[in-house]
Amino acid sequence: DAKTTQPPSMDCAEGRAANLPCNHSTISGNEYVYWYRQIHSQGPQYIIHGLKNNETNEMASLIITEDRKSSTLILPHATLRDTAVYYCIVKIYNQGGKLIFGQGTELSVKP
Amino acid sequence: NAGVTQTPKFQVLKTGQSMTLQCAQDMNHNSMYWYRQDPGMGLRLIYYSASEGTTDKGEVPNGYNVSRLNKREFSLRLESAAPSQTSVYFCASRNRAEAFFGQGTRLTVV
Repeated sequence: DAKTTQPPSMDCAEGRAANLPCNHSTISGNEYVYWYRQIHSQGPQYIIHGLKNNETNEMASLIITEDRKSSTLILPHATLRDTAVYYCIVKIYNQGGKLIFGQGTELSVKP
Repeated sequence: NAGVTQTPKFQVLKTGQSMTLQCAQDMNHNSMYWYRQDPGMGLRLIYYSASEGTTDKGEVPNGYNVSRLNKREFSLRLESAAPSQTSVYFCASRNRAEAFFGQGTRLTVV
């Protein structure tokens, strides 16, 4: 699985969009980008995944660059409850094997 | 739909004691995982099972053993607990895309 790089921390004002970047320059053609988040002390929660097209669901949007070497998770209107650690993972879809979480980005949403 | 259930939620052990952490999922997933999370740190993979009957080491397997008892259950055993194993332990199961996590077991070894 390709390695990912995320900033260790970010701040965002409540009500504004939170844009969380992830670099995955060694991603291969059949690897998907997955995002999870972990709110304090809870188990991580799946947010969204994508291959090359931009994706949107009720929680967030995922923008993947055309060369697929980086992506951005967008929380369009961040709330205080979005304060969490966000993890970007690259993995082949429908493949078993290791699921490795890096250090993630600690997002603090401030009033 | 219970999802992923871990037992116990809290446990205190004395150094040298043994115990088994239980995990069960009701989503018919093939893949299951055990992680540990130390304070202020990210999740580290201990062991995983890609399917019933198979297990493999993760990033930090030393001091642990696992059993994939059947498709539903994946247990983690500490044979001789050490203070360094004080942590929060998470179990997860995964379908094609999404991993589902339990609520964690807070283990303290004194």
